[in-house]
Amino acid sequence: QLQLQESGPGLVKPSETLSLTCSVSGDSINSSSYYWGWIRQPPGKGLEWIGSIYYSGSIFHNPSLKSRVTISVDTSRNQFSLKLTSVTAADTAVYSCVRQGDYGDYVFDSWGQGTLVTVSS
Amino acid sequence: QPVLTQPPSVSAAPGQKVTISCSGSSSNIGNHYVSWYQQLPGTAPKLLIYENNKRPSGIPDRFSGSKSGTSATLGVTGLQTGDEADYYCGTWDSFLFTVVFGGGSKLTVL
Repeated sequence: QLQLQESGPGLVKPSETLSLTCSVSGDSINSSSYYWGWIRQPPGKGLEWIGSIYYSGSIFHNPSLKSRVTISVDTSRNQFSLKLTSVTAADTAVYSCVRQGDYGDYVFDSWGQGTLVTVSS
Repeated sequence: QPVLTQPPSVSAAPGQKVTISCSGSSSNIGNHYVSWYQQLPGTAPKLLIYENNKRPSGIPDRFSGSKSGTSATLGVTGLQTGDEADYYCGTWDSFLFTVVFGGGSKLTVL
């Protein structure tokens, strides 16, 4: 069974870079059927798609975040990662890694449990 | 401000039916499939409906979806207290070139 697990610092200082990793088990990130992505949810608010990556490296970003976002994949470790630069308090959110592709290109069929990242000095 | 508009809250009694609306435009719902997600308290969202009205395996047929023009609707019949959750609609927006979601609707089973 597919499992996604986020890891990374829970506290990041303003203006610094948020870095998270998603470890995938139960499936190969090399699978040609799927994209692997990130979605965030600020406390008490709705969902925001950040971006998604194919194992080959093709990436789709949310244009509102694109200039600050880097998504990469490490097939040898079956992991993919998110870096968000120049963070502010507005970037405080639960960050979840997701898989998409079983039910459509922009349908998120599997989710990690999410990790809260707080931006504060 | 979310691109897709959902009512902040809906409620109904156990055993009854409730519908949750999701309103958009021609650049999103009007020309793309809609999916729905259920987020139980303290958990990650779970896919309920894809391609407007299809259910992944394991999702009971008490949950249904429909779409008409630039609006979509999630229906839940035979309400149970375990259905209390936040529900989100989502789709692709070809003008904004991004995935967009509704602001979420909190379902309360009275």
